[in-house]
Amino acid sequence: SQQGEEDPQALSIQEGENATMNCSYKTSINNLQWYRQNSGRGLVHLILIRSNEREKHSGRLRVTLDTSKKSSSLLITASRAADTASYFCVPSETSYDKVIFGPGTSLSVIP
Amino acid sequence: SAVISQKPSRDICQRGTSLTIQCQVDSQVTMMFWYRQQPGQSLTLIATANQGSEATYESGFVIDKFPISRPNLTFSTLTVSNMSPEDSSIYLCSVRLGYEQYFGPGTRLTVT
Repeated sequence: SQQGEEDPQALSIQEGENATMNCSYKTSINNLQWYRQNSGRGLVHLILIRSNEREKHSGRLRVTLDTSKKSSSLLITASRAADTASYFCVPSETSYDKVIFGPGTSLSVIP
Repeated sequence: SAVISQKPSRDICQRGTSLTIQCQVDSQVTMMFWYRQQPGQSLTLIATANQGSEATYESGFVIDKFPISRPNLTFSTLTVSNMSPEDSSIYLCSVRLGYEQYFGPGTRLTVT
């Protein structure tokens, strides 16, 4: 198992702007997942991107994966106050990997 | 997907007592995990609880302090024993389905 390292650790933007957060990892993966945690609530699975995919979209979310650089990015377009949350990336090599969390990116969207 | 419920959702406990947290899943799953999230921190894996085997604890966590039961494929409990204020955290149950992992809403524990 490995953990991702999110960057930046904190990000503050105005509502309507785009938010980009990055993730780096150390070893080869089968897939990488992004999770969101709103304050005081459980985690929500946002998106999974496989190692043979370079880009994936889900609503206002766009995830890219560069396996040569061992990095991923999460772009949230047209941000809303409800996007205020912590975001975590989780690289995974096998379906038996333990999910280990990094520090996350704390996103604040200011109305 | 999987829907996970936890009981209690929150509790305030006195130092030295124990609390058992229940986790119920709406489908049968093999891999179940317990996490702790201390105030302002990320999630830390406490242990992996697979049905039919003893729980496997991460470094820094021991069975005497965090005993876990996994009687069947849809249920697990985590007990926080002999609590101290440092145990004040959110405790989350999680299950794995394929490559995706799902989380319960968490139990917010305050130890006074």
